[in-house]
Amino acid sequence: DGGITQSPKYLFRKEGQNVTLSCEQNLNHDAMYWYRQDPGQGLRLIYYSQIVNDFQKGDIAEGYSVSREKKESFPLTVTSAQKNPTAFYLCASRSSGRVSTGELFFGEGSRLTVL
Amino acid sequence: KNQVEQSPQSLIILEGKNCTLQCNYTVSPFSNLRWYKQDTGRGPVSLTIMTFSENTKSNGRYTATLDADTKQSSLHITASQLSDSASYICVVIPNNAGNMLTFGGGTRLMVKP
Repeated sequence: DGGITQSPKYLFRKEGQNVTLSCEQNLNHDAMYWYRQDPGQGLRLIYYSQIVNDFQKGDIAEGYSVSREKKESFPLTVTSAQKNPTAFYLCASRSSGRVSTGELFFGEGSRLTVL
Repeated sequence: KNQVEQSPQSLIILEGKNCTLQCNYTVSPFSNLRWYKQDTGRGPVSLTIMTFSENTKSNGRYTATLDADTKQSSLHITASQLSDSASYICVVIPNNAGNMLTFGGGTRLMVKP
C-alpha cells in the first residue's frame, strides 16, 4: 500500500547524542516535511523539501538537519545542539503543485525522549 | 502573524451525543481550510477540506462549516462513537503559503460510554 513510513516509533536518547529519524514515502510525492508536535501546541515546521537535493528551513530548524538525496527519503537528524528535543515528530508529504490543492499525508510519527 | 485558534482545548462527551468544535483564524486571504483527526500517538488523517467559497462539507458523521466573513470554522460530530476519541486539528492554507501551513493547537475529544 502507498504511504509514509516513519521509524523508529519510539526512540530514547542520552543528552549530547545525535539521533536520526527515518521517513520514507512511496506516494511519488515531490514535497516532504518534518513537523514537531508538543502537547497543546500546533504543529511547527522544522524543515521541508520540494525537490531532491534541495531543502529549506522552517520555523524551528535550529538544532536539526536534514538531507534529500532520494525522492522517497527525507531523514531528520536531531543534533545535540537542540536544547529541548523531547517531542513527537511527524513527517508528511504532498504531491507537486500548489500547496493549496495538494493534501498533506502524514506518517505515524516518532516519539523521541531524551533521558 | 497568521494564527489559528481552536476551542475548546479539550472536551468530554457521552457516547451518542453530538458536539461542535471551533476554529478561529486570522489567515487572510486563504485558499482552503482542512480538519484533521489525530488518534493518540498516530499521524493526523484528513477529514474534510473546504475552499474559501464553500460553506459546508460533510464526511459521514462529520460536518464542517466555514464562515469566511467572521473567519470561523466548526466541526460538528453527530452521534458520537468511542472511536471518535482523538485530537481534531484545524489547518488553514494561505493563498501565498508556499509551504507555510498554519496549524491550530487542536481540540482533544474524549467520548465516554
